[in-house]
Amino acid sequence: RKEVEQDPGPFNVPEGATVAFNCTYSNSASQSFFWYRQDCRKEPKLLMSVYSSGNEDGRFTAQLNRASQYISLLIRDSKLSDSATYLCVSGSARQLTFGSGTQLTVLP
Amino acid sequence: DARVTQTPRDKVTEMGQEVTMRCQPILGHNTVFWYRQTMKQGLELLAYFRNRAPLDDSGMPKDRFSAEMPDATLATLKIQPSEPRDSAVYFCASGAAGTSSYNEQFFGPGTRLTVL
Repeated sequence: RKEVEQDPGPFNVPEGATVAFNCTYSNSASQSFFWYRQDCRKEPKLLMSVYSSGNEDGRFTAQLNRASQYISLLIRDSKLSDSATYLCVSGSARQLTFGSGTQLTVLP
Repeated sequence: DARVTQTPRDKVTEMGQEVTMRCQPILGHNTVFWYRQTMKQGLELLAYFRNRAPLDDSGMPKDRFSAEMPDATLATLKIQPSEPRDSAVYFCASGAAGTSSYNEQFFGPGTRLTVL
């Protein structure tokens, strides 16, 4: 079993839709959590950190449930430019563990 | 605009040849990570360094891979001899351990390696 598991998708949604991604992690000692975004043939880039209290950055909302070891990302009013692969990440004091990613395509 | 740089960006080589990939971390960052990404396996951690000391290379095939950090501005990943199954994109990332965002990582553009 992978340490960070995500639904690989693909998710194909129309512009303006709301889409949610979920992820589970198995290492209960994980201390930090992130969502990274990776465009085709590009490097991963940090989208946002994820906090226990939940956090929002514009159209993006991230939630963490430590009891269930579950992380989510909600994208509202999706744009064509949101099309990418979204990587769920859990971190210990020493390193980050990446999920395999969920592919999102926003359609015009 | 500080960023991680990697060279070469693309490398095509024949099986058995030595491959050296280089990375310049963001100035001031004290942790460096090497990852390999394939469609099948996703992002896999190969090795990482803190303050130039290797902390973990358990993800790396020891018989053919080696990672070093000769100075704070250069990290290298070598494969000798290379095999077709090594074909992947190799990413370097750096971070600043000890700060409030101590394990946020910034990735370089990657080296796309093809071993024929």
